[in-house]
This record gives sequence, structure tokens and C-alpha cells, in this order.
Amino acid sequence: AQSVTQPDIHITVSEGASLELRCNYSYGATPYLFWYVQSPGQGLQLLLKYFSGDTLVQGIKGFEAEFKRSQSSFNLRKPSVHWSDAAEYFCAVGAGYWGAQKLVFGQGTRLTINP
Amino acid sequence: ETGVTQTPRHLVMGMTNKKSLKCEQHLGHNAMYWYKQSAKKPLELMFVYNFKEQTENNSVPSRFSPECPNSSHLFLHLHTLQPEDSALYLCASRGGDRNHTLAKNIQYFGAGTRLSVL
Repeated sequence: AQSVTQPDIHITVSEGASLELRCNYSYGATPYLFWYVQSPGQGLQLLLKYFSGDTLVQGIKGFEAEFKRSQSSFNLRKPSVHWSDAAEYFCAVGAGYWGAQKLVFGQGTRLTINP
Repeated sequence: ETGVTQTPRHLVMGMTNKKSLKCEQHLGHNAMYWYKQSAKKPLELMFVYNFKEQTENNSVPSRFSPECPNSSHLFLHLHTLQPEDSALYLCASRGGDRNHTLAKNIQYFGAGTRLSVL
């Protein structure tokens, strides 16, 4: 069965610092991978996705993620965080015949930004 | 604005009440989902509808009853809920067509309904 692990439940970084959120997945076939962000009281917004091709994918809000098949990882990065990036971040793997038909989510990483 | 609208945003109900959650998508999608988000737990998939047909029921108790009258609307009917059912209920829709166009296979989420069962 598919699974996603986000090892860090809570991360605090200073504004302007770089950020890396970790995600490891378990899936027998070629994975479809996603990062979503959830601000307080809101639904999930797609940051970026990996389906195939270039293993470094760019997303919205200056985020990027790198797919590493050998490490079963899809870590999210941002070179310089802004206070508005404080939110909860979810990594997900798409399963099912149509790729994203079913999403299996990690437990999320809550990001706090220090001024 | 994701194109997926959920109402109400907040709902408080007693254990003997009957209420319904509504989800509407304006994206022309053919698949719709209900998820449950509880504190300190991963998002749990509840139901999936493809082209108005239920294709997934993730062992959800019968006190939750989904309805999908058309591809744009999804309801979750609630009755005799328990306090542990208090959570954020999220609706999502997914693009996709019978040709399995990969680029359309993205789920878009509504803002959710925060449910409190007293």
C-alpha cells in the first residue's frame, strides 16, 4: 500500500532563511507526487506536482521540489521564506489508475516563521 | 478561489440532528471527493465519485451518506453523529477525462466545513 512520511511535524525558521521540508514515500510504481499548502481555516492549495520528466519541479510562491527515486523522496525547498509562508504543508502520492485519482497524504509539517 | 465552494463553513450540531454539507465545483470536473481532516491525523479519504457514480467508500460509517446528483454537486448527509466525528470536512474535485489526460489529474480543494458535534 502507498504511504507518505513527513518526518518533521513542526519546523520554525527565520524570515529570509532557506527552507527544506522532507517527504518520503512508499509506492511500487512510478509515483505521482504533490505538495499542498493549507493556511489556517482554509482548504488545500496545490504548490507543485511531479508526474514525469525533469526531477526538479517549480511551483507557485517560489517553491521547488526535487524527486529522487533512489531515496524515495520529494523534498520541498524555498531559498528565502516570507512571513506569509507560515502554514501547514502536505506531501501526497497519487495512486490509482488515473494517477491522482486517489491521494495518500502525509501527516503534514507545520511551518512557523520567526520575524 | 479554487473553484470549489463548500457550505456551510461552520456547523454545530447535536448527536440527534440531521444536517447536510454541500460542495459545488465550477471547474467542469468529473470526479469529486470527500475527505475528513482531524487534528493530528492525516487527511482521510471518505468517498470518491466519478461521473456521478460512487467508486470508493473507504469504510465510512453509515451515519455519513453521500449524494452526487450531478458532476458539479456533492452532498454529505449527516445523522446521529458522534463527538469524534468533529473535524474539518474537505471536498475536492479532479479534472480528468476518459482519455486519462495526465495534466488534468489534479485535485482542487474547497475551504472545508468545520463540524462540531456536541
